[in-house]
Amino acid sequence: QQQVKQSPQSLIVQKGGISIINCAYENTAFDYFPWYQQFPGKGPALLIAIRPDVSEKKEGRFTISFNKSAKQFSLHIMDSQPGDSATYFCAAGSGGYQKVTFGTGTKLQVIP
Amino acid sequence: NAGVTQTPKFQVLKTGQSMTLQCAQDMNHEYMSWYRQDPGMGLRLIHYSVGAGITDQGEVPNGYNVSRSTTEDFPLRLLSAAPSQTSVYFCASSYGTSSNQPQHFGDGTRLSIL
Repeated sequence: QQQVKQSPQSLIVQKGGISIINCAYENTAFDYFPWYQQFPGKGPALLIAIRPDVSEKKEGRFTISFNKSAKQFSLHIMDSQPGDSATYFCAAGSGGYQKVTFGTGTKLQVIP
Repeated sequence: NAGVTQTPKFQVLKTGQSMTLQCAQDMNHEYMSWYRQDPGMGLRLIHYSVGAGITDQGEVPNGYNVSRSTTEDFPLRLLSAAPSQTSVYFCASSYGTSSNQPQHFGDGTRLSIL
């Protein structure tokens, strides 16, 4: 049972464009929603995270939008750059990190 | 600061062989975990530990054993390797188990079972 559904599986965006990745969850006990960025041959690294009491969080070109009633959250990458090309994972957690559930990942390619 | 170090980076095994994937962290983190990453499946939690001497099962624990004798080390043992265990394995650690503590991942061990 996939508790966190992520889409799209892959995404190609022109340099300077907006990349949007969506996630939906089922378990209402989730109270922490991080996004991880993974480059080829490397482990995932925390990019940005949000709690459900906030509808939006922005860090530089990266923004998380959160819709608690719809049980959905999304990552927006503004002014996408070739260096943003990576795989992005959404995740949801409750009760601490030992209960983090990851989405299936989105491979983003930003073309010049 | 090395962070989370995983060894080996690559390994090929034959079905039925056993091996240990090593994970060490130098950040004095309480929480350590093992994930496997498979295409289209994301990261799935195998086992985790909230401190030395304390381990518990994650989502996909079958075929794997762990132990935590020190804060720094958290090895993952494959008892009798099977082709279904072909995957990329990631070890992660965090300072605590509260949800505002980010997980730090190693660079993975790529394991093939023939």
